[in-house]
Amino acid sequence: EVQLVQSGTEVKKPGESLKISCKSSGYSFTYYWIGWVRQMPGKGLEWMGIIYPSDSDTRYSPSFQGQVTISADKSISTAYLQWSSLKASDTAMYYCARQRGSRTANFDYWGQGALVTVSS
Amino acid sequence: QSVLTQPPSVSGAPGQRVTISCTGSSSNIGAGYDVHWYQQLPGTAPKLLIYDNNNRPSGVPDRFSGSKSGTSASLAITGLQAEDEADYYCQSFDSSLSGSIFGGGTKLTVL
Repeated sequence: EVQLVQSGTEVKKPGESLKISCKSSGYSFTYYWIGWVRQMPGKGLEWMGIIYPSDSDTRYSPSFQGQVTISADKSISTAYLQWSSLKASDTAMYYCARQRGSRTANFDYWGQGALVTVSS
Repeated sequence: QSVLTQPPSVSGAPGQRVTISCTGSSSNIGAGYDVHWYQQLPGTAPKLLIYDNNNRPSGVPDRFSGSKSGTSASLAITGLQAEDEADYYCQSFDSSLSGSIFGGGTKLTVL
């Protein structure tokens, strides 16, 4: 059974760093793109970027380029999303999702989401 | 403002049919990229509903169907049920952005 399990709720202060995780199981982690999607409170889904764990090929949405870093550790089938300096506007739910096939494909399995709250 | 445009809300009575549109442009849907649809129930992660324009994953009722034409796509739900009340999102790929894009989402209310 394919599963993506994300790390838990985070409460941080502005300026702090953060790295959240997404652990995959039930399939060959190396050969599927993993994407990150932001959902701000009461808002829609926003594609942030994707990574191909086999060679760490990473693509970012222009809106998130330079704002976050996406990485993956093949040895533990885990993808990461990190910030070096959080802002209040980073407060959102963050989902990881497996992309089925190519970069143009659908996201067929999703993590449960990780809520990040940034507040002084 | 999303690259893919969806109506903010639609509604229908139980048993009725509703459609949700997703309008793009020549750099995404019009360029031939597939459209996918997701259902997000309150407080849960999105779930794949329709992939590659008109295909249903295993377990999705045949009350849900998708279509695509030109620069637009549509999701149709027939035999509306109370449990269909959710947010629905379309997704495609945009060659100008070189990445995936989502519609702004449509809230379906079952009256």
